[in-house]
Amino acid sequence: GQQVMQIPQYQHVQEGEDFTTYCNSSTTLSNIQWYKQRPGGHPVFLIQLVKSGEVKKQKRLTFQFGEAKKNSSLHITATQTTDVGTYFCAGANSGGSNYKLTFGKGTLLTVNP
Amino acid sequence: ETGVTQSPTHLIKTRGQQVTLRCSSQSGHNTVSWYQQALGQGPQFIFQYYREEENGRGNFPPRFSGLQFPNYSSELNVNALELDDSALYLCASNLGGFYGYTFGSGTRLTVV
Repeated sequence: GQQVMQIPQYQHVQEGEDFTTYCNSSTTLSNIQWYKQRPGGHPVFLIQLVKSGEVKKQKRLTFQFGEAKKNSSLHITATQTTDVGTYFCAGANSGGSNYKLTFGKGTLLTVNP
Repeated sequence: ETGVTQSPTHLIKTRGQQVTLRCSSQSGHNTVSWYQQALGQGPQFIFQYYREEENGRGNFPPRFSGLQFPNYSSELNVNALELDDSALYLCASNLGGFYGYTFGSGTRLTVV
């Protein structure tokens, strides 16, 4: 079955440093979504990428979708303590009437003030 | 607008018992999905309902079943509970298709 892998598993940075997490799918995706989960919280939708090579920005966050629609990345510029949490990518495949979203294991980001 | 609400927030059950978890979708959302999240892991897709019919299922045994009601609220039922079923169960709704999901706060299930 489809697998979505994320690296790194953990990342600790000093406040102000940049952060990047990478996501790779074993199969070509229809789209990819990114979520953030604060400690003790639930996933919160950040963004969705649909087109091959797509790049989207949200303030300090930059999201990319690979040309082959099998990989993606999230880059945070100048991290802040409010960025702490686990970042998940989730790949979507729609085969006929069967819709399925597969999450990676996530990257836990901690920020030292 | 209201978000996704789940009940109960915490639950302790004995191995072999049955459990029903409930979810109210965000207003206007006609699609609901259920996920199981073990500690330190990403959410695992259980199944999805659209207009009261299942339209996607992950690798979970048949003892995991669900319902979606005309008002788009939903239930997750798990029979013959096993210790490994202990996890956070998340409900998520969206407008269907490829829209992003709004997650509820989850139900923490502990099987002893």
